[in-house]
Amino acid sequence: DAKTTQPTSMDCAEGRAANLPCNHSTISGNEYVYWYRQIHSQGPQYIIHGLKNNETNEMASLIITEDRKSSTLILPHATLRDTAVYYCIVMRSGAGGTSYGKLTFGQGTILTVHP
Amino acid sequence: GAGVSQTPSNKVTEKGKYVELRCDPISGHTALYWYRQSLGQGPEFLIYFQGTGAADDSGLPNDRFFAVRPEGSVSTLKIQRTERGDSAVYLCASSLKGGPTEAFFGQGTRLTVV
Repeated sequence: DAKTTQPTSMDCAEGRAANLPCNHSTISGNEYVYWYRQIHSQGPQYIIHGLKNNETNEMASLIITEDRKSSTLILPHATLRDTAVYYCIVMRSGAGGTSYGKLTFGQGTILTVHP
Repeated sequence: GAGVSQTPSNKVTEKGKYVELRCDPISGHTALYWYRQSLGQGPEFLIYFQGTGAADDSGLPNDRFFAVRPEGSVSTLKIQRTERGDSAVYLCASSLKGGPTEAFFGQGTRLTVV
């Protein structure tokens, strides 16, 4: 699976949009971009995923560049409860292979939302 | 509850002892994953089950670690002759069928080997 690069940490003011970047320049055509977050002392939580089109759900928006080499997770109105480690993960979509669905976590971005 | 349940939530054991960690996945989820998370690090993959079989155990660090899922539901991660370096949070996740669908994680079991 492709490697991802994220900033180590970011700050955001409460109520403002949080834009978390991720670089995945070696992504291949059948790999999805996934975002998970981990709030302190909890297991990771799925946020959103996409292949090539931008995606939006109740939690966030995912913007993937046209060349798919990078993406941005957008939390439109960050709250204090969004303080967490955010992980960008690239994963194969194909059913072939034995590691279907295996997530490879990097260090993630520590997002701190402050009042 | 409808989520992934892991027991115990905390486990303290002496070096050299045997431990079992349990995971109850979401009902109907055929894919189950075990991860290990050391302090300050992201979760690290250990093993993946599809149904009853271990489809990928490439992440198990050595032969002291073993996991089973005999009926395709509950899974048990077993660690023999525990070492202090095994101290970590052990996370379990399940998904409907594996692949590009969201995985649901449990709260984890914090294992401390003293």
